[in-house]
Amino acid sequence: GAVVSQHPSRVICKSGTSVKIECRSLDFQATTMFWYRQFPKQSLMLMATSNEGSKATYEQGVEKDKFLINHASLTLSTLTVTSAHPEDSSFYICSARSGTANQPQHFGDGTRLSIL
Amino acid sequence: GDSVTQMEGPVTLSEEAFLTINCTYTATGYPSLFWYVQYPGEGLQLLLKATKADDKGSNKGFEATYRKETTSFHLEKGSVQVSDSAVYFCALAGGYQKVTFGTGTKLQVIP
Repeated sequence: GAVVSQHPSRVICKSGTSVKIECRSLDFQATTMFWYRQFPKQSLMLMATSNEGSKATYEQGVEKDKFLINHASLTLSTLTVTSAHPEDSSFYICSARSGTANQPQHFGDGTRLSIL
Repeated sequence: GDSVTQMEGPVTLSEEAFLTINCTYTATGYPSLFWYVQYPGEGLQLLLKATKADDKGSNKGFEATYRKETTSFHLEKGSVQVSDSAVYFCALAGGYQKVTFGTGTKLQVIP
């Protein structure tokens, strides 16, 4: 159980394009979803936390107009990278959790975003 | 604030060797502790967890014991396999929504 599906797994697109990444909890209701960015050989950097039906809470230094997050239902959150540029190229990972903070997060398989 | 410190990698072991990856933490209150594993090109998978002092989490031969007195949650496995090669992240969940991750330790097991 506790499966999180993230897609696409890989995106290659031109600079200036907007890219949408979906994160779905398949067999549980995710009251909270998280979006992370991971640079090569580094740990995860939390970008934002979203609760269903509420605006996302962004971490310091993360541009909310650049990285649009929508958490419209208990099973779906989306991250849209608007007007992507090469410096946005990275590995983006979502996670989902039901209940409180002491419950584990369940992760998607990540999206490799490459902006040309 | 909360923090997690992991031993730096990479750790290279021969197959069937004993594994220890150290993890210590700083947190207020009584956090829950986790180990996650990330295989190449994939997201993270929960490996094991412990929610209170002296709890032992275990899964797939891996174990970690929540030691409040030493604020540690070291990951151990008695006999590693090539398939265990991955990056391992120690993490804690404190009183708020955020989970704090360590920097990850890359394990490479050679035949």
